[in-house]
Amino acid sequence: GNSVTQMEGPVTLSEEAFLTINCTYTATGYPSLFWYVQYPGEGLQLLLKATKADDKGSNKGFEATYRKETTSFHLEKGSVQVSDSAVYFCALTPRGGSSNTGKLIFGQGTTLQVKP
Amino acid sequence: GAGVSQSPSNKVTEKGKDVELRCDPISGHTALYWYRQSLGQGLEFLIYFQGNSAPDKSGLPSDRFSAERTGGSVSTLTIQRTQQEDSAVYLCASSLRETYEQYFGPGTRLTVT
Repeated sequence: GNSVTQMEGPVTLSEEAFLTINCTYTATGYPSLFWYVQYPGEGLQLLLKATKADDKGSNKGFEATYRKETTSFHLEKGSVQVSDSAVYFCALTPRGGSSNTGKLIFGQGTTLQVKP
Repeated sequence: GAGVSQSPSNKVTEKGKDVELRCDPISGHTALYWYRQSLGQGLEFLIYFQGNSAPDKSGLPSDRFSAERTGGSVSTLTIQRTQQEDSAVYLCASSLRETYEQYFGPGTRLTVT
C-alpha cells in the first residue's frame, strides 16, 4: 500500500539554524511528492512539490529532492526564522492505473518551533 | 478570488445525532476532496469527487459517513449517529482537476459530546 513516514516532533531550533525534516514513503508506481505547511490558526498550504525522481521542489528557502533510490523526500532549509514555526506535512499522490485521483496520503506531521 | 469556504467553522453535537458539513469549492474547480484531521489518526483522505464521475469513497471510515456534490459545486458531508471518535477537524479541498494543486478550506471542527 501507499504510506508516508516522517520524523516525529516537536523540533525546536534557534533562529538561523539549519533544518532537516525527514520523510520516507512507500508507494506503488511513481507518486508525486509534496510538503504542506499549517501555520498556527491557518489552513493547510502547499509549500513545495516534485513529480518525478531527482526533481527538486523549492519555495520560501525550503527545498526537497525526490530520491527514488532511498524513497525519501526530506525537507531542508538553510536558515530558519521564527516565522517558520508551523506544522509540516509530507504527502504523496499515488499515480498509475485507478490511482490517478489526486488524493493525498499524509505523514503524521512534524511541529517546528523556532526560538529567537 | 475567493478560496474554499466551509461551514460551520465549529460544531458541537451530542452523541447519536446527525450532522451536515458544507464545502464551497473555488469556482471552476472540478475536483473536490474531503479529509479528516484528528489527533489519533493524523490527516486522512475520506472521499473525492471529479465532475460527473462516480466518487472515490474508499476513505470513508464507516457507512455512517456519506457525501454528495450537487451541480458539480457545493458538497455536503453527512455523518449519521455521531460517535465520540468522529470528533476531528474536517477539511475540504478543491483543485482545477485531479492531480493539480489542492487548495484547502479552513476546516470544520466537530466535537461530539
